[in-house]
Amino acid sequence: VQLVESGGGLVQPGGSLRLSCEASGFTLNAYWMGWVRQAPGKGLEWVANINEDGSKNNYLDSVKGRFTISRDNAKNSLHLQMNSLRAEDTAVYYCTRGYGIALWGQGTLVTVSS
Amino acid sequence: DIQMTQSPSSLPASVGDRVTITCRASQGINNNLAWFQQKPGKAPKSLIFVASSLQSGVPSRFSGSGFGTDFTLTISSLQPEDFATYYCQQYNNYPFTFGPGTKVDIK
Repeated sequence: VQLVESGGGLVQPGGSLRLSCEASGFTLNAYWMGWVRQAPGKGLEWVANINEDGSKNNYLDSVKGRFTISRDNAKNSLHLQMNSLRAEDTAVYYCTRGYGIALWGQGTLVTVSS
Repeated sequence: DIQMTQSPSSLPASVGDRVTITCRASQGINNNLAWFQQKPGKAPKSLIFVASSLQSGVPSRFSGSGFGTDFTLTISSLQPEDFATYYCQQYNNYPFTFGPGTKVDIK
Protein backbone atom coordinates (compact mmCIF):
# COMPACT_ATOMS: atom_id res chain seq x y z
CA VAL A 1 0.00 0.00 0.00
CA GLN A 2 1.66 3.20 -1.08
CA LEU A 3 1.39 6.57 -2.75
CA VAL A 4 4.08 7.84 -5.11
CA GLU A 5 4.16 11.48 -6.19
CA SER A 6 5.84 12.88 -9.28
CA GLY A 7 5.92 16.08 -11.31
CA GLY A 8 7.73 18.43 -8.98
CA GLY A 9 10.56 20.68 -10.08
CA LEU A 10 11.78 24.22 -10.59
CA VAL A 11 9.37 26.67 -12.19
CA GLN A 12 9.39 30.43 -12.65
CA PRO A 13 6.85 32.65 -10.92
CA GLY A 14 3.65 32.68 -12.94
CA GLY A 15 4.37 29.25 -14.37
CA SER A 16 2.49 25.96 -14.11
CA LEU A 17 3.15 22.43 -12.89
CA ARG A 18 1.05 19.29 -12.74
CA LEU A 19 1.68 16.93 -9.86
CA SER A 20 0.62 13.30 -10.02
CA CYS A 21 0.15 10.64 -7.39
CA GLU A 22 0.03 6.96 -8.27
CA ALA A 23 -1.70 4.70 -5.78
CA SER A 24 -0.86 1.03 -5.41
CA GLY A 25 -2.03 -1.75 -3.15
CA PHE A 26 -5.54 -0.37 -2.75
CA THR A 27 -8.47 0.88 -4.80
CA LEU A 28 -8.43 4.65 -5.10
CA ASN A 29 -12.17 5.02 -5.63
CA ALA A 30 -12.91 4.00 -2.03
CA TYR A 31 -11.20 7.04 -0.51
CA TRP A 32 -11.15 10.78 -0.24
CA MET A 33 -7.74 11.94 -1.44
CA GLY A 34 -5.83 15.14 -0.92
CA TRP A 35 -2.67 17.21 -0.96
CA VAL A 36 -0.72 18.69 1.96
CA ARG A 37 2.38 20.85 1.57
CA GLN A 38 5.34 21.80 3.71
CA ALA A 39 7.48 24.83 2.96
CA PRO A 40 11.20 24.44 3.72
CA GLY A 41 11.74 24.39 7.48
CA LYS A 42 8.05 25.02 8.18
CA GLY A 43 5.01 23.10 9.36
CA LEU A 44 2.33 21.23 7.47
CA GLU A 45 -0.37 23.03 5.46
CA TRP A 46 -3.48 21.38 4.03
CA VAL A 47 -4.00 22.34 0.37
CA ALA A 48 -6.98 20.51 -1.13
CA ASN A 49 -9.04 17.36 -1.11
CA ILE A 50 -11.48 15.52 -3.38
CA ASN A 51 -14.18 12.97 -2.68
CA GLU A 52 -14.33 9.40 -3.88
CA ASP A 53 -15.97 10.02 -7.26
CA GLY A 54 -14.47 13.45 -7.90
CA SER A 55 -17.77 15.33 -7.57
CA LYS A 56 -16.70 17.41 -4.54
CA ASN A 57 -13.50 19.28 -3.85
CA ASN A 58 -12.21 21.79 -1.34
CA TYR A 59 -9.26 24.19 -1.39
CA LEU A 60 -7.13 26.37 0.83
CA ASP A 61 -8.16 29.98 0.14
CA SER A 62 -4.71 31.00 -1.05
CA VAL A 63 -4.76 28.42 -3.87
CA LYS A 64 -8.41 28.74 -4.95
CA GLY A 65 -8.66 29.67 -8.61
CA ARG A 66 -5.01 28.69 -9.21
CA PHE A 67 -4.88 24.99 -8.23
CA THR A 68 -7.19 22.21 -9.41
CA ILE A 69 -7.37 18.80 -7.83
CA SER A 70 -8.61 15.91 -9.95
CA ARG A 71 -8.56 12.13 -9.99
CA ASP A 72 -8.65 9.28 -12.47
CA ASN A 73 -9.97 6.27 -10.59
CA ALA A 74 -9.55 4.01 -13.61
CA LYS A 75 -5.83 4.75 -13.56
CA ASN A 76 -5.61 4.86 -9.74
CA SER A 77 -4.14 8.35 -9.88
CA LEU A 78 -4.59 11.76 -8.29
CA HIS A 79 -3.46 15.07 -9.77
CA LEU A 80 -2.86 18.66 -8.75
CA GLN A 81 -2.73 21.22 -11.55
CA MET A 82 -0.94 24.30 -10.26
CA ASN A 83 -1.14 27.53 -12.27
CA SER A 84 0.04 31.08 -11.61
CA LEU A 85 2.63 29.77 -9.19
CA ARG A 86 4.12 32.10 -6.60
CA ALA A 87 7.29 31.98 -4.55
CA GLU A 88 5.19 31.16 -1.48
CA ASP A 89 4.00 27.95 -3.15
CA THR A 90 7.52 26.54 -2.80
CA ALA A 91 7.16 23.39 -0.72
CA VAL A 92 7.24 19.63 -0.61
CA TYR A 93 3.81 18.46 -1.74
CA TYR A 94 2.47 15.26 -0.19
CA CYS A 95 -0.33 13.13 -1.61
CA THR A 96 -2.63 11.85 1.15
CA ARG A 97 -5.33 9.21 1.52
CA GLY A 98 -8.43 9.56 3.62
CA TYR A 99 -10.74 12.31 4.85
CA GLY A 100 -8.85 11.94 8.08
CA ILE A 101 -5.41 11.31 6.66
CA ALA A 102 -4.25 7.73 7.12
CA LEU A 103 -1.56 7.42 4.46
CA TRP A 104 1.07 9.79 3.03
CA GLY A 105 3.25 9.68 -0.04
CA GLN A 106 6.96 10.46 0.13
CA GLY A 107 6.48 13.96 -1.29
CA THR A 108 7.65 15.90 -4.33
CA LEU A 109 9.48 19.23 -4.15
CA VAL A 110 8.12 22.25 -5.99
CA THR A 111 10.41 25.27 -6.19
CA VAL A 112 9.07 28.53 -7.57
CA SER A 113 11.94 30.87 -8.34
CA SER A 114 13.35 33.00 -11.12
CA ASP B 1 -10.44 29.43 10.01
CA ILE B 2 -9.91 27.24 13.05
CA GLN B 3 -6.58 27.93 14.74
CA MET B 4 -4.74 24.99 16.26
CA THR B 5 -2.19 25.51 19.02
CA GLN B 6 0.16 22.97 20.56
CA SER B 7 2.11 22.96 23.78
CA PRO B 8 4.89 22.71 24.43
CA SER B 9 6.65 23.65 21.22
CA SER B 10 9.73 21.75 22.35
CA LEU B 11 9.90 18.84 24.77
CA PRO B 12 13.26 17.49 25.95
CA ALA B 13 12.74 13.93 27.20
CA SER B 14 14.55 10.69 27.98
CA VAL B 15 13.93 7.12 26.89
CA GLY B 16 11.30 5.63 29.18
CA ASP B 17 9.63 8.96 29.99
CA ARG B 18 5.88 9.44 29.82
CA VAL B 19 5.29 12.28 27.37
CA THR B 20 2.13 14.34 26.92
CA ILE B 21 1.50 16.87 24.16
CA THR B 22 -1.52 19.18 24.22
CA CYS B 23 -3.45 20.46 21.21
CA ARG B 24 -6.16 23.12 21.43
CA ALA B 25 -8.63 24.24 18.79
CA SER B 26 -9.97 27.80 18.62
CA GLN B 27 -13.50 26.40 18.38
CA GLY B 28 -15.14 23.04 18.89
CA ILE B 29 -14.21 20.33 16.41
CA ASN B 30 -16.05 17.35 17.95
CA ASN B 31 -13.52 14.51 17.78
CA ASN B 32 -12.31 15.23 14.24
CA LEU B 33 -8.67 15.42 15.21
CA ALA B 34 -5.64 13.52 13.98
CA TRP B 35 -2.05 13.23 15.17
CA PHE B 36 1.00 12.77 12.96
CA GLN B 37 4.67 12.04 13.57
CA GLN B 38 7.40 13.42 11.33
CA LYS B 39 11.12 12.70 11.40
CA PRO B 40 13.65 14.98 9.67
CA GLY B 41 13.63 14.60 5.89
CA LYS B 42 10.78 12.11 5.96
CA ALA B 43 7.08 12.18 5.16
CA PRO B 44 4.68 12.42 8.07
CA LYS B 45 3.22 9.23 9.50
CA SER B 46 -0.36 8.98 10.68
CA LEU B 47 -0.72 7.93 14.32
CA ILE B 48 -4.25 8.65 15.53
CA PHE B 49 -7.62 9.57 14.00
CA VAL B 50 -10.92 10.70 15.54
CA ALA B 51 -8.91 11.86 18.54
CA SER B 52 -8.32 8.48 20.12
CA SER B 53 -8.21 5.66 17.54
CA LEU B 54 -4.82 4.25 16.65
CA GLN B 55 -3.96 3.80 12.98
CA SER B 56 -3.09 0.25 12.02
CA GLY B 57 0.42 -0.72 13.05
CA VAL B 58 0.94 2.12 15.53
CA PRO B 59 2.38 0.88 18.85
CA SER B 60 0.03 0.84 21.81
CA ARG B 61 2.32 3.16 23.81
CA PHE B 62 0.69 5.96 21.79
CA SER B 63 -2.73 7.14 22.90
CA GLY B 64 -4.97 10.10 22.24
CA SER B 65 -7.85 11.70 24.07
CA GLY B 66 -10.11 14.71 24.03
CA PHE B 67 -13.25 16.19 22.50
CA GLY B 68 -14.38 19.63 21.50
CA THR B 69 -11.43 21.98 21.88
CA ASP B 70 -8.83 20.21 24.04
CA PHE B 71 -6.87 17.15 23.03
CA THR B 72 -3.79 15.25 24.17
CA LEU B 73 -1.31 12.82 22.69
CA THR B 74 0.47 10.62 25.21
CA ILE B 75 3.45 8.33 24.74
CA SER B 76 3.48 6.05 27.77
CA SER B 77 7.16 5.08 27.60
CA LEU B 78 9.28 7.00 25.11
CA GLN B 79 11.38 4.85 22.79
CA PRO B 80 14.46 5.93 20.79
CA GLU B 81 12.47 5.88 17.55
CA ASP B 82 9.90 8.29 18.99
CA PHE B 83 12.15 11.34 18.89
CA ALA B 84 10.40 13.40 16.22
CA THR B 85 8.04 16.31 15.63
CA TYR B 86 4.35 15.74 16.32
CA TYR B 87 1.50 17.62 14.65
CA CYS B 88 -2.21 17.70 15.36
CA GLN B 89 -4.76 18.49 12.65
CA GLN B 90 -8.46 19.28 12.71
CA TYR B 91 -10.66 17.99 9.90
CA ASN B 92 -14.00 19.19 11.16
CA ASN B 93 -14.13 22.48 9.22
CA TYR B 94 -12.58 23.70 5.99
CA PRO B 95 -9.87 24.65 5.58
CA PHE B 96 -8.40 21.78 7.55
CA THR B 97 -5.64 23.16 9.76
CA PHE B 98 -2.55 21.82 11.51
CA GLY B 99 -0.95 22.78 14.76
CA PRO B 100 2.56 24.26 14.62
CA GLY B 101 4.19 21.07 15.88
CA THR B 102 5.91 19.82 19.03
CA LYS B 103 9.49 18.66 18.75
CA VAL B 104 10.36 15.83 21.11
CA ASP B 105 14.12 15.67 21.44
CA ILE B 106 16.75 14.13 23.67
CA LYS B 107 17.15 15.69 27.10
